Amino acid sequence: GAGVSQTPSNKVTEKGKYVELRCDPISGHTALYWYRQSLGQGPEFLIYFQGTGAADDSGLPNDRFFAVRPEGSVSTLKIQRTERGDSAVYLCASSLEAVGEQFFGPGTRLTVL
Amino acid sequence: AQSVTQLDSQVPVFEEAPVELRCNYSSSVSVYLFWYVQYPNQGLQLLLKYLSGSTLVKGINGFEAEFNKSQTSFHLRKPSVHISDTAEYFCAVRSMDSSYKLIFGSGTRLLVRP
Repeated sequence: GAGVSQTPSNKVTEKGKYVELRCDPISGHTALYWYRQSLGQGPEFLIYFQGTGAADDSGLPNDRFFAVRPEGSVSTLKIQRTERGDSAVYLCASSLEAVGEQFFGPGTRLTVL
Repeated sequence: AQSVTQLDSQVPVFEEAPVELRCNYSSSVSVYLFWYVQYPNQGLQLLLKYLSGSTLVKGINGFEAEFNKSQTSFHLRKPSVHISDTAEYFCAVRSMDSSYKLIFGSGTRLLVRP
């Protein structure tokens, strides 16, 4: 069956631009997570959705980062006024429920020039 | 708060040799423990997990890990590695009272040489 998909796989942008990263979770999974993986590091938690609502956004680094999941399925991570330090691989994961196994997508590699 | 330490950033090993990847964690509450593998340009894949019960956990691809509560460790082992095991391995914890957030270590790159 289809796993978690993320688009685009690569995104190159210039400093100060706005970007959107998309995540399509596994069908029927109610929980969705975003993580950020900087070079040489493990993934770091950004935000968790249960259904349409952000149950925990404590990992978002600042107010330039925002995520939505309007219909409880697809999610979009939005970054305003990108900075070079935002360059990383952004991973999305989904699970059947909050306590379930998280299945990860292949990630979007964001490069800010 | 929890933290995970993977002291070895890279472990080179010859094919068919045994390997151990080390993981230590710190937490003020009880945790669940996980090992994930990441192949180049792919997402994280769950290798194995410890939730409760036997402290020796067997996973996919011949890997196993042992939970040691007194040493707060969860080392990953494989008795004989293959070239195809070359990948990045991440240890992670999740607290039992906040059961969705995974806290990852910095990863260990396993490099299997012929």
